[in-house]
Parts: sequence; structure tokens; C-alpha cells
Amino acid sequence: QTVVTQEPSFSVSPGGTVTLTCGLSSGSVSTTYYPSWYQQTPGQAPRTLIYSTNTRSSGVPDRFSGSILGNKAALTITGAQADDESDYYCVLYLGSGNWVFGGGTKLTVL
Amino acid sequence: QLVESGGGLVQPGGSLRLSCAASGFTFRNYWMHWVRQAPGKGLMWVSRINIDGSATTYADSVKGRFTISRDNAKNTLYLQMNSLRAEDTAMYFCASGYSLGFTYWGQGTLVTVSS
Repeated sequence: QTVVTQEPSFSVSPGGTVTLTCGLSSGSVSTTYYPSWYQQTPGQAPRTLIYSTNTRSSGVPDRFSGSILGNKAALTITGAQADDESDYYCVLYLGSGNWVFGGGTKLTVL
Repeated sequence: QLVESGGGLVQPGGSLRLSCAASGFTFRNYWMHWVRQAPGKGLMWVSRINIDGSATTYADSVKGRFTISRDNAKNTLYLQMNSLRAEDTAMYFCASGYSLGFTYWGQGTLVTVSS
């Protein structure tokens, strides 16, 4: 069974830069997995940030960027703000019409 | 906009049908998905349907029990859930698909499976 891995938690200072990653229990993440990223605050629906590795969704500020770093997908937030404090999820397309979410990263801005 | 409905309390072994009404975009041009989130847990992809309903896929944990469908004339997505288990308790979100990711999300409908 394929497991998508994310850091359980991360912290960043206001104004700082943080990179969250999304990996596979076995193997490397590449663009062929079409990694995408979602932000969710408690009690709210997810918000799409990035799709297809590095394409920002409409209205998402350019402080958020997606990439492949080494063997993982990555979400980088530059100039972190207080309202970036959220849970962040990646999802990978495994092919044959199947997707798997990572366990999510709880980002604290302090 | 996506608006889910149909959630509620159901006994183990029971059935429930969720609906997701779409507006503001051309529903028939988008794959559609169901994603769920158990209380205090992360997101889990549940099912996907292609634009005309001819192809569907499911997570292993719901395969054989859940059925996704759509009515493009009514701009509505459905999830028929049978043989429900306690572990199916979750907020269920519908989401539109784009470029093998998800774009628009509904606010979710809560399903509780309990006796």
C-alpha cells in the first residue's frame, strides 16, 4: 500500500520561509504524480493552493510556490503570515484513477 | 459553488445518499470527487467520476459499498453509501477535479454512523 508522507508539524517565524515536503513510502515523487497542495483551517473546507506540481490556483498569492525538491514534492511559503497557520495537505495521483492524500502538516506561525 | 447535503446519523449497516449541487461553473466538463475527513483526522480521497459518468474509481476501503454517480442535467453529484461502518463517520466533501488535482470544494456534510 502506497503511503504519502508529510512532516506532522512545522513552525515558522512571521516573515520567514518554510518548505513543507510530500514524499512516498517507497520511491520518488515526480511531476508524473501531479502533486497538489491544499490549506485547511479547523472547521473549514480545504482551499486549493497548488496543482500539477507548481501551478497556483486562482487567487493564491505568489508567496506560495510548488516544486520538486530531490525525491519529494515541496510547498514553499515565503514571508509567512499569521493567517498561514493551518493544516497543509498534499495529494498525489497514483494513476488508474486513484489519489492518495498525505497525513498533513500542521504549520504554526510564531 | 458546491453545496453538499444528505448527511446525518445512521446505524451501522445502514445506507445514506449524499448529494452535491454545483453552480457557477460548467459542471459537465469536470471530473468530480468525494473526499472525507474523519473527526480530528486528515483528508482521504474516496471516489472519482469522469465527465459523463462512464468511469468511476474508489478507495479500497469503500469499494463495493459506495457508488458515485452524477446527473449533468441537474448539475448534481451523488454518493450512495451502503453497509455503513463506524469508521465511515466523517465530514464528506465534494470537489471538482482539474489537472489531476482538485479545484472547487464544498463545505461538507457530516455523516455519523452509530447505534
